[in-house]
Amino acid sequence: GDSVTQTEGQVALSEEDFLTIHCNYSASGYPALFWYVQYPGEGPQFLFRASRDKEKGSSRGFEATYDKGTTSFHLRKASVQESDSAVYYCALGPLNTGNYKYVFGAGTRLKVIA
Amino acid sequence: GPKVLQIPSHQIIDMGQMVTLNCDPVSNHLYFYWYKQILGQQMEFLVNFYNGKVMEKSKLFKDQFSVERPDGSYFTLKIQPTALEDSAVYFCASSLGLSNTGQLYFGEGSKLTVL
Repeated sequence: GDSVTQTEGQVALSEEDFLTIHCNYSASGYPALFWYVQYPGEGPQFLFRASRDKEKGSSRGFEATYDKGTTSFHLRKASVQESDSAVYYCALGPLNTGNYKYVFGAGTRLKVIA
Repeated sequence: GPKVLQIPSHQIIDMGQMVTLNCDPVSNHLYFYWYKQILGQQMEFLVNFYNGKVMEKSKLFKDQFSVERPDGSYFTLKIQPTALEDSAVYFCASSLGLSNTGQLYFGEGSKLTVL
């Protein structure tokens, strides 16, 4: 079945460090790819998406580029802040071929130390 | 931005009892979802719902689970009877469409504790 793999379970950085969270997917079709962020005690919030190969999604300084060749959608940010501490989820969207669900990765917990 | 409201935020019940989790989705949204998250673990898909029907459900959506949205009111998840392994945070989500550009809006979750 369709799946999303996030390599890092936890990432600890200092403020102004560069962030990379790796996301790879496996899907039978050509799904949209998403990043969501979840703060403690809240539901996940949409960060951004990309719908086709080579498209870059971005928001709040975070960005990721859809790479169909390597089936990846890695999250990057040039300079993290303490307020970025949260859990980040990569997800793939419905394929409209009898598959109607969004599939989430296991999540990566980011802790940024001031 | 658009809000999904979930009631209750926390419920504690005894094993074997029935529980109903309520969700008020974004007003013009057509697709509704329930996800389950055990503390500190992955968000896992349970079910989605459109036009009065279940579109797709996962293996986690056991026979004891049911969903409905009578007459445009709350979208509900009912568990009857509950089991210890049902303890988790249940997130409701809604989306406007199913196109590749759609996004999910999540509620803040209903934490269920089964004793």
